[in-house]
Amino acid sequence: GAGVSQSPSNKVTEKGKDVELRCDPISGHTALYWYRQSLGQGLEFLIYFQGNSAPDKSGLPSDRFSAERTGGSVSTLTIQRTQQEDSAVYLCASSLVGQGAYEQYFGPGTRLTVT
Amino acid sequence: SQQGEEDPQALSIQEGENATMNCSYKTSINNLQWYRQNSGRGLVHLILIRSNEREKHSGRLRVTLDTSKKSSSLLITASRAADTASYFCATDVEGTYKYIFGTGTRLKVLA
Repeated sequence: GAGVSQSPSNKVTEKGKDVELRCDPISGHTALYWYRQSLGQGLEFLIYFQGNSAPDKSGLPSDRFSAERTGGSVSTLTIQRTQQEDSAVYLCASSLVGQGAYEQYFGPGTRLTVT
Repeated sequence: SQQGEEDPQALSIQEGENATMNCSYKTSINNLQWYRQNSGRGLVHLILIRSNEREKHSGRLRVTLDTSKKSSSLLITASRAADTASYFCATDVEGTYKYIFGTGTRLKVLA
């Protein structure tokens, strides 16, 4: 079946512009995660959604970052007024954690470059 | 801040040798997972071990968990060039479905 997809795969933007990153999780997965990975580094947790519960936004680095998940499926991560330090690969993952299956399935990521 | 810290940061071995990497974490967990990432792209789940388990095997992978020391190790036996990748541990934050990933170990297997 289809895995997690993300778009765009690459995004180059000018400092100060807003960007939207999209994630399509595996159908039926109740949990959706966003992570950020800088070059050669580990994954930094940003936010997760689980079912109809309020999202855990504790990892968002600033109020320029926001995310929403519509209809329990597709998610959009928005970064306003982008800064050069926002340059990274943004990874999305989905999971069936609510049903006792904790494995996360990752998308290929969106490489964001802020110039 | 990162909960998991892997060591070594980088490891280079010959094909056929075993590779061991370690993960330490800070708070109580329900489970710990190991993931592999090739060429800076998507991550793939390898194995999960629950807090009440001490050891788990999957093919050439062996994972141990010591909750008293808050540490885990991943052993890859009879390594192959295709095992070249970065390996990350991920721990859940107890009471939530939030996961914190470690800093990763970069493994290079030389043919």
